[in-house]
Amino acid sequence: SQQGEEDPQALSIQEGENATMNCSYKTSINNLQWYRQNSGRGLVHLILIRSNEREKHSGRLRVTLDTSKKSSSLLITASRAADTASYFCALISSGSARQLTFGSGTQLTVLP
Amino acid sequence: NAGVTQTPKFQVLKTGQSMTLQCAQDMNHEYMSWYRQDPGMGLRLIHYSVGAGITDQGEVPNGYNVSRSTTEDFPLRLLSAAPSQTSVYFCATTGQGSSHNEQFFGPGTRLTVL
Repeated sequence: SQQGEEDPQALSIQEGENATMNCSYKTSINNLQWYRQNSGRGLVHLILIRSNEREKHSGRLRVTLDTSKKSSSLLITASRAADTASYFCALISSGSARQLTFGSGTQLTVLP
Repeated sequence: NAGVTQTPKFQVLKTGQSMTLQCAQDMNHEYMSWYRQDPGMGLRLIHYSVGAGITDQGEVPNGYNVSRSTTEDFPLRLLSAAPSQTSVYFCATTGQGSSHNEQFFGPGTRLTVL
């Protein structure tokens, strides 16, 4: 399956701590994206990293990509209660530039 | 509040012509993005912006330029239209505060390139 698999499935931290979520996949990819979904809400795009990039920053977010290990990580620094949500990685595989395939997500809970 | 507005609603271009799709929001949202939607496909991200002065490429950026000189406006420019750019284009913003992380979409612009 080309689906990304997030790890851990659930993560609970205190406000101010950093949160790290991982995504592993099996195929070659064109790019990898991270999305956030609050309970009962739609998906919101966070960041996109291409297969030729190794690291990308956006505000408190830092994404890394290791194509040799077929894995990516999302780091949220100085977490806030408002960061509580499910986080998904989504793949665009090299073989088809159409389908965005989502993993099952990591449920992050940030405790105040 | 008007929310997210897009103009024009419809546009027909000839191959090689250039044009700008306008997107404006009055919700003071930092994050804005452009998608295209083609028949049988989901939304594909073209470009996005996390704030005024900052833009980045999405999944399908080729043939499109963006700029973000103000928080309110995020225009999408087609440099030299091609039939492959025939699509419906949606602009979106991400909410803050009570609607944190909710994505608001504009009504769309239907573009046909002949």
